Amino acid sequence: DAGVIQSPRHEVTEMGQEVTLRCKPISGHNSLFWYRQTMMRGLELLIYFNNNVPIDDSGMPEDRFSAKMPNASFSTLKIQPSEPRDSAVYFCASSLDSLVDTEAFFGQGTRLTVV
Amino acid sequence: DQQVKQNSPSLSVQEGRISILNCDYTNSMFDYFLWYKKYPAEGPTFLISISSIKDKNEDGRFTVFLNKSAKHLSLHIVPSQPGDSAVYFCAATRNFNKFYFGSGTKLNVKP
Repeated sequence: DAGVIQSPRHEVTEMGQEVTLRCKPISGHNSLFWYRQTMMRGLELLIYFNNNVPIDDSGMPEDRFSAKMPNASFSTLKIQPSEPRDSAVYFCASSLDSLVDTEAFFGQGTRLTVV
Repeated sequence: DQQVKQNSPSLSVQEGRISILNCDYTNSMFDYFLWYKKYPAEGPTFLISISSIKDKNEDGRFTVFLNKSAKHLSLHIVPSQPGDSAVYFCAATRNFNKFYFGSGTKLNVKP
């Protein structure tokens, strides 16, 4: 398995533009998470899906952020319009929701720079 | 409100010595705890975990200790190696759903 795949790896955009980040979770995993990493706040959970349904989006910073999971193998995180303070590394992770010990597997992240 | 906290942003130790990374949490309902290691330009990778029914878990040079009464866990690396230099995140979860992460501790192991 190739692991969690995120695209693009790097994104540079101008303030006000729409940005879409993509994630392909590990096949068979039923939970998907979007995280944001910044210097000040470390890793923040933005939203998580279970069986393609958004369960908790309380971490989404504001209405400019939206996330979708149209099927079990794909999710997007969209920022519209983007602002310089959105610059961060965004991680997607997936896990198998079960009663045995497990962990979340992370993608390599998308480094977003908004200028 | 951060439910998982790592109060030391950085730690520097000499090669061969012990590295101790600390983590505190506030939610007594967490039942599983994990440590992740992150190198620059890479995603975090799983390192070691512990269930709330245990107080210690060991894997090679890595040992995680859990003190439920103090809501505190720590990661011990013995002996520390330069390749261990990375950012370490602790995480907690309940029922293996959402994972709450600390802000990370940057470990520097000096040769």
